Amino acid sequence: SQQGEEDPQALSIQEGENATMNCSYKTSINNLQWYRQNSGRGLVHLILIRSNEREKHSGRLRVTLDTSKKSSSLLITASRAADTASYFCATSQGAQKLVFGQGTRLTINP
Amino acid sequence: DAMVIQNPRYQVTQFGKPVTLSCSQTLNHNVMYWYQQKSSQAPKLLFHYYDKDFNNEADTPDNFQSRRPNTSFCFLDIRSPGLGDAAMYLCATSRESNNEQFFGPGTRLTVL
Repeated sequence: SQQGEEDPQALSIQEGENATMNCSYKTSINNLQWYRQNSGRGLVHLILIRSNEREKHSGRLRVTLDTSKKSSSLLITASRAADTASYFCATSQGAQKLVFGQGTRLTINP
Repeated sequence: DAMVIQNPRYQVTQFGKPVTLSCSQTLNHNVMYWYQQKSSQAPKLLFHYYDKDFNNEADTPDNFQSRRPNTSFCFLDIRSPGLGDAAMYLCATSRESNNEQFFGPGTRLTVL
């Protein structure tokens, strides 16, 4: 069953604006990860946040995790055209695998 | 540079003709994964190896098989491809389970 559900499915903003994507999940997790996928390419790991962490930063990325609400958000600040991609959350539940959400397609307009 | 390599990048096969996709890694990671991804969908895990231990997902069709002859290589065999098997196939590795995964560029499979 699909663990992560992402919102919105598609997001289009102007260059320089901030982009926020949300992920909800259903069961307890070990960690939650965010990945980026450019069209026709493999996924690239962005950031991992553990279940005992609430916020994590990496460059222009900020990830929050609320385990009480079973939700996470990814914020990309000062967006650039190169940020255009699909973004997936993935949850690790203790088994040797990740379960990916459906993804958010982000378009940055110049 | 350490990486995950997939060959070929594009594969065309005929309906019912067996096809093998390959993945190699220079990261010396314990875990290797195969995902199927259809257009605008999430990657769907087919199976994974932890070292030599094979783990099949319950809903992976019998048509899909995998081999991992050594740490570096992993193969995906599709015994009788159907039109519904046309997709991007992604290989990924991780040092340990639940760690970040490193993905190859994928092989796009077309079934005629």
